[in-house]
Amino acid sequence: TQLLEQSPQFLSIQEGENLTVYCNSSSVFSSLQWYRQEPGEGPVLLVTVVTGGEVKKLKRLTFQFGDARKDSSLHITAAQPGDTGLYLCAGVPLGGNEKLTFGTGTRLTIIP
Amino acid sequence: DSGVTQTPKHLITATGQRVTLRCSPRSGDLSVYWYQQSLDQGLQFLIQYYNGEERAKGNILERFSAQQFPDLHSELNLSSLELGDSALYFCASSVIPTPTGELFFGEGSRLTVL
Repeated sequence: TQLLEQSPQFLSIQEGENLTVYCNSSSVFSSLQWYRQEPGEGPVLLVTVVTGGEVKKLKRLTFQFGDARKDSSLHITAAQPGDTGLYLCAGVPLGGNEKLTFGTGTRLTIIP
Repeated sequence: DSGVTQTPKHLITATGQRVTLRCSPRSGDLSVYWYQQSLDQGLQFLIQYYNGEERAKGNILERFSAQQFPDLHSELNLSSLELGDSALYFCASSVIPTPTGELFFGEGSRLTVL
């Protein structure tokens, strides 16, 4: 079983639409990170959320950390083809073993 | 460009063989992480080194081993290769010893075992 479950696994939408992807766990995290990975490249950090309930915005991307620090969401407004990629959440569980665990990933395709 | 260099980019080999993957971290980064990414498993943590010492271990098989050298580059050795070892192997680096800050990933080494 995966510590961090992401949904949906695949998402294909038209340019200009809005979307939300989710990262859920039964464990509490001190912080959660979101990475984006494009084909042929390694993941690149987008944001780190630290405080329960925290909301961070990065242009058209809005990241939220759940109040209980067990889940997070990524909302994209007016999606662009450049948003296409694999979105990964990652975190180190509280009281855990300091191993950064990655979620299962959401593969997003934006159709022009 | 993340500043993390991995070689080789692609590697094709046969079952039973042994390969070595190399990683040069970003200048100044003391931590090196190895991850395996396969289609059905996502990114799986293998092992972490900090300043030459093993810091954390994930689900790394006994057939796999790694080390970090005094110049901070790292090598991941995979032996007695099996078909299921075919995957992308990523190296990442960071300044601090704990993975709570940003990890900078290389472009990966794609291993194909035939």
